[in-house]
Amino acid sequence: GAVVSQHPSRVICKSGTSVKIECRSLDFQATTMFWYRQFPKQSLMLMATSNEGSKATYEQGVEKDKFLINHASLTLSTLTVTSAHPEDSSFYICSARDPDRLANEKLFFGSGTQLSVL
Amino acid sequence: AQSVTQLGSHVSVSEGALVLLRCNYSSSVPPYLFWYVQYPNQGLQLLLKYTTGATLVKGINGFEAEFKKSETSFHLTKPSAHMSDAAEYFCAVSESGGYQKVTFGIGTKLQVIP
Repeated sequence: GAVVSQHPSRVICKSGTSVKIECRSLDFQATTMFWYRQFPKQSLMLMATSNEGSKATYEQGVEKDKFLINHASLTLSTLTVTSAHPEDSSFYICSARDPDRLANEKLFFGSGTQLSVL
Repeated sequence: AQSVTQLGSHVSVSEGALVLLRCNYSSSVPPYLFWYVQYPNQGLQLLLKYTTGATLVKGINGFEAEFKKSETSFHLTKPSAHMSDAAEYFCAVSESGGYQKVTFGIGTKLQVIP
């Protein structure tokens, strides 16, 4: 089956530093990728939709200057948390859409990244 | 707006017992409903989905769910739990059906006791 690889799985950083998370579709070309965030005991919340070759679409309340998304190729999207602060500590997970699959099996998820900002 | 409520963040069942994970949704239009499963250190996998048609849908690993419009529910069941079913389960709803925006519940962690 299709596989989405997300890296790193866990990262600890100091406050004020930037962290980059990568999301790769390994055996299909993903024209669209999604980035989610999950705080403890809360739902996965969609942060932004990333389309290859164009600017990402951010959900209301998500700071686009803080969460930089780049989707420069059909197999790679990156999320950079700039000037991270402790309140950015969360579980981040990406998903990628395989356009060749049947309409309702198109979405595949990475294994997530646990970000801890000290 | 769409939303999902999963009752019970943790559920424990004995091996061989019935598994019942509850999910209620709200949607302003006919919903597309999903259950995803996440095993430790893995990504979310689609377990089953309801789009239109038959309200009882069967998924992988013996799981099934029934769409009940009158109750706005989409509970997940399995007649007999296996140890390998221990995982986190997420219910999700989409109004578009095309995955433009999928709203997830908070997840239910299933523990299977030998």
